Amino acid sequence: AQSVTQLDSHVSVSEGTPVLLRCNYSSSYSPSLFWYVQHPNKGLQLLLKYTSAATLVKGINGFEAEFKKSETSFHLTKPSAHMSDAAEYFCVVTMNSGGYQKVTFGTGTKLQVIP
Amino acid sequence: EPEVTQTPSHQVTQMGQEVILRCVPISNHLYFYWYRQILGQKVEFLVSFYNNEISEKSEIFDDQFSVERPDGSNFTLKIRSTKLEDSAMYFCASRPTSGRTDTQYFGPGTRLTVL
Repeated sequence: AQSVTQLDSHVSVSEGTPVLLRCNYSSSYSPSLFWYVQHPNKGLQLLLKYTSAATLVKGINGFEAEFKKSETSFHLTKPSAHMSDAAEYFCVVTMNSGGYQKVTFGTGTKLQVIP
Repeated sequence: EPEVTQTPSHQVTQMGQEVILRCVPISNHLYFYWYRQILGQKVEFLVSFYNNEISEKSEIFDDQFSVERPDGSNFTLKIRSTKLEDSAMYFCASRPTSGRTDTQYFGPGTRLTVL
């Protein structure tokens, strides 16, 4: 069984300040972990992914995430928020078994950026 | 860059009517998925499809739902008799191979409104 917990449903930051979106996961096997972003009325865009290579993963738009197995966490960070970062962010865990890939989404975190 | 496309972007239907949501996955991908996101809730897995058959489905995917790959490019989700609670955003996704590190690429979604 696998699950994802996004600890904050809403996060509000001022433009230019750091962003931290928290994600904890539970998985019986070595998971792959992803962060997706969804802008209003848009689809899901992949920000970054961890698949058992380097634990610090860099993504698009200045985002990065660190996989910490001991803490079962995969928090998303960005040093300086931009207005265009306002969106909903989903942490996703996948598990592959044979050819099948089971995907579990977190409940999402809405990021508000205040000018 | 190739992307998953979905049509229509918004579908409005009367309760009890049949709807077909269409997706064109990325051309060399082999695995196909449908997800839904009820307004304000998290993204939920519906079904996965490989080699012209369903490989996995969730408990949401009951007899009212069916999927088909009618030709080499389209992947469709049919809801036979829509209910009010079927109103949601429906996302299609595709994945190239069975590789553990493979990412699912999502389409922009179809917003289904059942009146």
